[in-house]
Amino acid sequence: GAGVSQSPSNKVTEKGKDVELRCDPISGHTALYWYRQRLGQGLEFLIYFQGNSAPDKSGLPSDRFSAERTGESVSTLTIQRTQQEDSAVYLCASSLGPSGSKNEQFFGPGTRLTVL
Amino acid sequence: GDSVTQMEGPVTLSEEAFLTINCTYTATGYPSLFWYVQYPGEGLQLLLKATKADDKGSNKGFEATYRKETTSFHLEKGSVQVSDSAVYFCALTSGGQNFVFGPGTRLSVLP
Repeated sequence: GAGVSQSPSNKVTEKGKDVELRCDPISGHTALYWYRQRLGQGLEFLIYFQGNSAPDKSGLPSDRFSAERTGESVSTLTIQRTQQEDSAVYLCASSLGPSGSKNEQFFGPGTRLTVL
Repeated sequence: GDSVTQMEGPVTLSEEAFLTINCTYTATGYPSLFWYVQYPGEGLQLLLKATKADDKGSNKGFEATYRKETTSFHLEKGSVQVSDSAVYFCALTSGGQNFVFGPGTRLSVLP
C-alpha cells in the first residue's frame, strides 16, 4: 500500500538496552513527525522533520532519544538505555507539506514498545 | 504557544443519541483545524478538517465548524452508532508551528 509504514509493530526489550524504530513515510511527503502515546493518553510530540531543514527536536524527553531522517525518506527513532517509562506506542506521521500548511497528517500503525 | 483543549471524557451515549465533543484552541496565527479518530486497536485517521473561519468540515455524519470568534471547533453528530466508539482528537496546525493535539476524548456508544 501507499500508506505510512512502521516497523517493528511490536518490540519487547529489557531495561538498559537500545532500540531502533523505523518509519517509512508516504512517498513525496516532505514532513515527518514522531509522537509517543502512552496507554490511555494523548499524543506527545517528539520530533519533526521538514525537507532538508534542521529538525525540530523540542519534544524529545531526554538525550536518550534521537532521530534521523535520510532526505525525504525513511526515519529512525533511537532510544538508548531504555527505561520502563519509555513503554508506549510510538507513532509516525507524514504530511505532504510543511507544518502550518493545510495538509493533514497520515499516521502509521505505530510500534508498541514494552520495556521490561 | 499554540494549544488545544477538549473535553476529556469518557463520554458514554446510547445509540442514536446526539453527540457533541467540545474543542477550543489558542493559536497565534490562522490555524487549520482537524479532528482525528482512533478506533480500538487502530491508528489515527483524519475524520474531518477546516482550513479557514466559518468552514464546515464533515465526514461520516460528523460535522465541525471553524468558529474564529469563539476559537472553537466542536465535533457533532446527530445520531451516533456503536461503531463510532473510539477516541477523538482535536488538532491544529499554524504557521511555523507543529501539529498540536488535544488530549483525546473517549466515546463509548451503547446499543
